[in-house]
This record gives sequence, structure tokens and C-alpha cells, in this order.
Amino acid sequence: ILNVEQSPQSLHVQEGDSTNFTCSFPSSNFYALHWYRWETAKSPEALFVMTLNGDEKKKGRISATLNTKEGYSYLYIKGSQPEDSATYLCASLAYGGATNKLIFGTGTLLAVQP
Amino acid sequence: NAGVMQNPRHLVRRRGQEARLRCSPMKGHSHVYWYRQLPEEGLKFMVYLQKENIIDESGMPKERFSAEFPKEGPSILRIQQVVRGDSAAYFCASSPGRTSWGNTIYFGEGSWLTVV
Repeated sequence: ILNVEQSPQSLHVQEGDSTNFTCSFPSSNFYALHWYRWETAKSPEALFVMTLNGDEKKKGRISATLNTKEGYSYLYIKGSQPEDSATYLCASLAYGGATNKLIFGTGTLLAVQP
Repeated sequence: NAGVMQNPRHLVRRRGQEARLRCSPMKGHSHVYWYRQLPEEGLKFMVYLQKENIIDESGMPKERFSAEFPKEGPSILRIQQVVRGDSAAYFCASSPGRTSWGNTIYFGEGSWLTVV
């Protein structure tokens, strides 16, 4: 995988449903994986920065796992609420000397219906 | 602590004019990144700057685009002789240190450029 890919592209769920989506990234030269939450007309908001294989992070009802060997991360939302509706972006940071650019996926658009 | 401030939020330019987008990083942040979001696409890296230095401009078009982050004042992304294909949302982000040190980056709300 040369790019960061996210699936599904969009997701519609009912309030109270739990959901998850996937981020795939290049496993070679991996350094860190970032997750962002992006509401319309606002700036992307940082959720997690993950670096270690097997790492799991949690923030309220949102959690994320990381597998650096196979190059994927899952984001889980437990008991989705309408306010969770947003685009969820992941971004991969690879080793590259002075290079510090995060490569973003195109995001998963989550719509939670009341 | 104010977040990353971008201005203008919306800019309309005629083909051939110049566009200047400004970004004031969060207080204490000396690393600035510019990203571009074209319609129906994700955020694409353009340039990474640290005070007075361009660290990585591998994502920036070779012609017409330039960026600076002077010792004093905001970072500026400059697009000369704009064309319709430059119409996009331009996002600035900042961090207190290198992302390779585990720092996250904080985004502004973006500047929307429309070329008519």
C-alpha cells in the first residue's frame, strides 16, 4: 500500500449503534498514525497519536487500535450519538529524515441519525 | 490560547491575479504545515516550514506557489497568476515541535480560494 486508505467512504448509522472503520497505511518506515475528527465548517480536531504496534487508545466512547506490522488501524465508536457525525481522518507519518509530513486518507464520513 | 488562525477565510480572485493566504500558528508553535483540499479529494501535503526555513516543500507545485514563515509575523502561502485549478480549501496547521517527536498538529479552519 503506497497511500493511506480509509474504508468505508461513508457510513450511516442509527443513534445507539456501535460502529468502526478502517485505516490502511504503508507498514514500511512507519513512525506514527494520527486520527482526526472533522466536523463541517470547523477545523480537524486531533483524536489520537499512535506509535506502538498493538497500541490501543481511548477517549470517551471512541477508541482506536493499531497494527503496524500489517499496516492498519481501527477506530471504534460505541453507542453513536448524533454529535458524533463528522468525517474521521487518519494520517500516517513515515520515517524520512527531516520529513515530517502526515499523509492523510480521504476520510470516512459518519452520519448518525437520531 | 487561541487556535491556529487563518485569513482570509474566503478569497475570490480572477485568473492571473495573486492570492495570499495567511496563517498564525498557535502560541508557542514554531512548526507550520500547509495542506490543500481539492474538491472531492482529501488533504494533500504542500509544505512544512519552521521559523525562517522551508523544511519540506515536496508537495508544492514548482511554479507559481511559494511559502514563507518569517521570524516575525504569520506564515504566508502565495499563489501567483492563479488559475481555475487552484480553487481549493487551503489548510494551515501548526505544532510545537516535530511530529516525529510524537507531537500532533493543530489545524486552522481553512481558507477557501475561488478563482473566477
